[in-house]
Amino acid sequence: GAVVSQHPSWVICKSGTSVKIECRSLDFQATTMFWYRQFPKQSLMLMATSNEGSKATYEQGVEKDKFLINHASLTLSTLTVTSAHPEDSSFYICSARDRRLSGTDTQYFGPGTRLTVL
Amino acid sequence: QQQVKQSPQSLIVQKGGISIINCAYENTAFDYFPWYQQFPGKGPALLIAIRPDVSEKKEGRFTISFNKSAKQFSLHIMDSQPGDSATYFCAASSPSGTYKYIFGTGTRLKVLA
Repeated sequence: GAVVSQHPSWVICKSGTSVKIECRSLDFQATTMFWYRQFPKQSLMLMATSNEGSKATYEQGVEKDKFLINHASLTLSTLTVTSAHPEDSSFYICSARDRRLSGTDTQYFGPGTRLTVL
Repeated sequence: QQQVKQSPQSLIVQKGGISIINCAYENTAFDYFPWYQQFPGKGPALLIAIRPDVSEKKEGRFTISFNKSAKQFSLHIMDSQPGDSATYFCAASSPSGTYKYIFGTGTRLKVLA
């Protein structure tokens, strides 16, 4: 149980294009999903919190217009990197909270998406 | 106040030995402390977690020790195996009710065969 998937697992795109990353909770409904960014040999940096049916809450310093987050259903959240540039190249990871476990803090993480912008 | 300090940065242990990773926090309102294991190119996987009302929790070879007064908690990996070689992150759940995590900086563990 508590499986989170991401698609694609890796993507290469040209500078200036937009890339969409999907995060799905496969066997549970996620009240809240989180998007993280991780640079090589570094810790996870929270980018935004995504709640189903409402606007995402972005962490300080994260550009809302550049990293568009949509939480369309209780099992799907998407992150769109708009007008990507080489400095956006990173490992993007999502996580999800299980809606059934009220009050629990446990986050289940997806396998990550490696984005390379040429 | 929102930081979680993790040490050591890297750790080398012989097979069969005990791996110990430490974390310290400042904000006493944190109330959930998970440990995650991450292999290269993969997402973090939950290992074990603890709340402040418990001083120790054990699951298989993994044990969390929690010292509320010192605001410290640690992960012990007993009988360490080469397959345990990975990066380990501690975290603390933000007390704001948003369920956000504050992550430690990570510890790269290498277990020698």
